[in-house]
Amino acid sequence: NAGVMQNPRHLVRRRGQEARLRCSPMKGHSHVYWYRQLPEEGLKFMVYLQKENIIDESGMPKERFSAEFPKEGPSILRIQQVVRGDSAAYFCASSPLNGRAVNEQFFGPGTRLTVL
Amino acid sequence: DQQVKQNSPSLSVQEGRISILNCDYTNSMFDYFLWYKKYPAEGPTFLISISSIKDKNEDGRFTVFLNKSAKHLSLHIVPSQPGDSAVYFCAAAQGGSEKLVFGKGTKLTVNP
Repeated sequence: NAGVMQNPRHLVRRRGQEARLRCSPMKGHSHVYWYRQLPEEGLKFMVYLQKENIIDESGMPKERFSAEFPKEGPSILRIQQVVRGDSAAYFCASSPLNGRAVNEQFFGPGTRLTVL
Repeated sequence: DQQVKQNSPSLSVQEGRISILNCDYTNSMFDYFLWYKKYPAEGPTFLISISSIKDKNEDGRFTVFLNKSAKHLSLHIVPSQPGDSAVYFCAAAQGGSEKLVFGKGTKLTVNP
């Protein structure tokens, strides 16, 4: 059973460009989460999605950031007009819908975004 | 405001000895706690979790202890192995929320 897949693993963008990060959850998982890790920091929650629905986006910056999890295909985290402060590791996680109050989240390898 | 705190950035132990990683939290609404291990250039890997209705959970060499009155939890690894060398993150969730709040991590080095 393949784990959570993220691509690209490394992404370099110039200021003002757009960054698109993709995440394919584990097979059978219907919940997707995005986290951001700045250097020397822990992971910070950004957004929680189920298929075609945003459940909790309380950690998303108000501007330039958006996320989706369409019925078909991977989840996408989109950052428009990137700035240097967006440079970070972005991790996607997935969990199954199994009725538990909190589910263990399984993480992908991350996308390391560098903004020049 | 750091709701989950791991005050030791690093810890070094000898192979075969016990590793104790500590975590404190400030939000009394947290009711589920998890530990993750992370190697460089990889995503975090789930290790062990504990619900607030318990004070101990054990899985092989890993045991998590929860002291709700002190808002403190710890991860014990016995015996420690060189392959355990990694960054360990404590995480917490509240009230059925799927949002995990992470500490900054503790880098564990197990020396052969």
